[in-house]
Amino acid sequence: GAVVSQHPSRVICKSGTSVKIECRSLDFQATTMFWYRQFPKQSLMLMATSNEGSKATYEQGVEKDKFLINHASLTLSTLTVTSAHPEDSSFYICSAITGGAGGELFFGEGSRLTVL
Amino acid sequence: GESVGLHLPTLSVQEGDNSIINCAYSNSASDYFIWYKQESGKGPQFIIDIRSNMDKRQGQRVTVLLNKTVKHLSLQIAATQPGDSAVYFCAEFRGAGSYQLTFGKGTKLSVIP
Repeated sequence: GAVVSQHPSRVICKSGTSVKIECRSLDFQATTMFWYRQFPKQSLMLMATSNEGSKATYEQGVEKDKFLINHASLTLSTLTVTSAHPEDSSFYICSAITGGAGGELFFGEGSRLTVL
Repeated sequence: GESVGLHLPTLSVQEGDNSIINCAYSNSASDYFIWYKQESGKGPQFIIDIRSNMDKRQGQRVTVLLNKTVKHLSLQIAATQPGDSAVYFCAEFRGAGSYQLTFGKGTKLSVIP
């Protein structure tokens, strides 16, 4: 089956630094990828929809300058948490949808960000 | 922002028994409803989905029931095993060029050996 890979799986950083998380579709091209955030014991909350070659669409309440999304190729989307603070510590999960009618959605394994 | 102090509902089931996990949804326009399983520290795994024009769908050991009248979705797991212990989320999916997948709150299933 299709595989979506995220990197890094875990990252710890100091407050004020920026962190980049990659999401790759390994065996298919994904024109659309999604970024979710999940706090402990809570559900996944959609942050933004990433479209290859165009600007991401952010959900209400998500700061686009804080969470930079770049989808420069059909197999890679990146999420950069800029000037990270402890409240940004969370589990970030991406998903990618295969092309064509009836596209299937596949999730990455998630990236655990801890901001000290 | 997120809710403070939110706890996942928990369902404890004896190994070998059947489990029923329930979910209420809000959007009548959703095309698909999907159940995901999430183990600790991992991303969601697809279990089974059901189109909005169906009432029931069966998979291996799992059955999903959809009641559109009351906007209710359930996941039944037959002969629950310890490996089924995880958090289960229902999700509503809308396609038609504007893909949107919205997750429900989740239920933690604990299987007692």
